[in-house]
Amino acid sequence: NAGVMQNPRHLVRRRGQEARLRCSPMKGHSHVYWYRQLPEEGLKFMVYLQKENIIDESGMPKERFSAEFPKEGPSILRIQQVVRGDSAAYFCASSLRLAGEETQYFGPGTRLLVL
Amino acid sequence: GESVGLHLPTLSVQEGDNSIINCAYSNSASDYFIWYKQESGKGPQFIIDIRSNMDKRQGQRVTVLLNKTVKHLSLQIAATQPGDSAVYFCAENKREETSYDKVIFGPGTSLSVIP
Repeated sequence: NAGVMQNPRHLVRRRGQEARLRCSPMKGHSHVYWYRQLPEEGLKFMVYLQKENIIDESGMPKERFSAEFPKEGPSILRIQQVVRGDSAAYFCASSLRLAGEETQYFGPGTRLLVL
Repeated sequence: GESVGLHLPTLSVQEGDNSIINCAYSNSASDYFIWYKQESGKGPQFIIDIRSNMDKRQGQRVTVLLNKTVKHLSLQIAATQPGDSAVYFCAENKREETSYDKVIFGPGTSLSVIP
């Protein structure tokens, strides 16, 4: 059973470009979470999605950031017009979210560098 | 505000000794706690979890202790090995008013094992 997969693992963008990060949850998981991590810091919640629904986007900036989890295909975190401050590691996690099965399992992350 | 925090940001331990990593939480409504291990360049890896109806849970070489009276969580690693060197995060499953459980991560403790 493959774990959470993220691609690309590393992404370099110039200021003003768009960054698109993909996440495929573990098989059978329909709940996806995105986190952002700056160097030497903890994980900051960004958004929680179920299939075709955004449940909680309170941690995601209102401007330039968007997320989706379509019925088919991976979850996408999109950052438009990137700025240097967007450089960070972005982690995706997935869970079953059944009673007693709330553990989130993380992917390897996408490290975004904005030049 | 409510948060999960760690007492010690860094910890150095001699190989073979036991390690204890501490964590404080402030939300008495939290009912599920998780420890994650994050090695350099990788995503967080689930180690062990505990529910609020338990005081102690043991895994392979790891034990998590929960003291609800003082809102304290600890991770004990027996016979620490070089491969245990990593950043350890405690996380709190925070039940929101909307009944959506949000996982809040602490800032992390960096464990260094001295050979």
